[in-house]
Amino acid sequence: DQQVKQNSPSLSVQEGRISILNCDYTNSMFDYFLWYKKYPAEGPTFLISISSIKDKNEDGRFTVFLNKSAKHLSLHIVPSQPGDSAVYFCAASERNSGYSTLTFGKGTMLLVSP
Amino acid sequence: DAGITQSPRHKVTETGTPVTLRCHQTENHRYMYWYRQDPGHGLRLIHYSYGVKDTDKGEVSDGYSVSRSKTEDFLLTLESATSSQTSVYFCAISDREQETQYFGPGTRLLVL
Repeated sequence: DQQVKQNSPSLSVQEGRISILNCDYTNSMFDYFLWYKKYPAEGPTFLISISSIKDKNEDGRFTVFLNKSAKHLSLHIVPSQPGDSAVYFCAASERNSGYSTLTFGKGTMLLVSP
Repeated sequence: DAGITQSPRHKVTETGTPVTLRCHQTENHRYMYWYRQDPGHGLRLIHYSYGVKDTDKGEVSDGYSVSRSKTEDFLLTLESATSSQTSVYFCAISDREQETQYFGPGTRLLVL
């Protein structure tokens, strides 16, 4: 049973527009959420995170929103650039579980066209 | 970038042979992880370590074993490789207080 779901396998956006990537989770014990970006033939790189005590975290062009009641988070990229084309993974963890293991979604491939 | 290397980066082996993948870190992080990435499955945790000689199973541990004799090295062994273990393997490290995991470049394994 998938605890972290990214229901859109792919997303296409034009350069300069907003990209919105979505993620849903089912485990109410998750209290820390992360987004990773992955280019082909490379390891995932950490992008941005958010704690469950917040509903928004911003870092430059990247903003993550958390809606705890809906068990939903989203990553906004504004403005989108061709270099943002990659696979984006949503991940979640239970900070109070004792060990910091992450549960990942299956990923969404973002294509930003010029 | 976190100092994480994986070796080998690419390997082709035959069914039934043992294979060992190595992850080496220079960050002195306590936690180390092995994941596999497959199409349609995202990243799945195989095993992880929370200290020297301290390891535990992840979601997809069957057919894999690990060892950590030094802080900087975490080894993943496929005792008898099968075609279903053809995958890309990623090592990751984390500092408990930060909780963010940092990934290595990956090892692409093909089992024929």
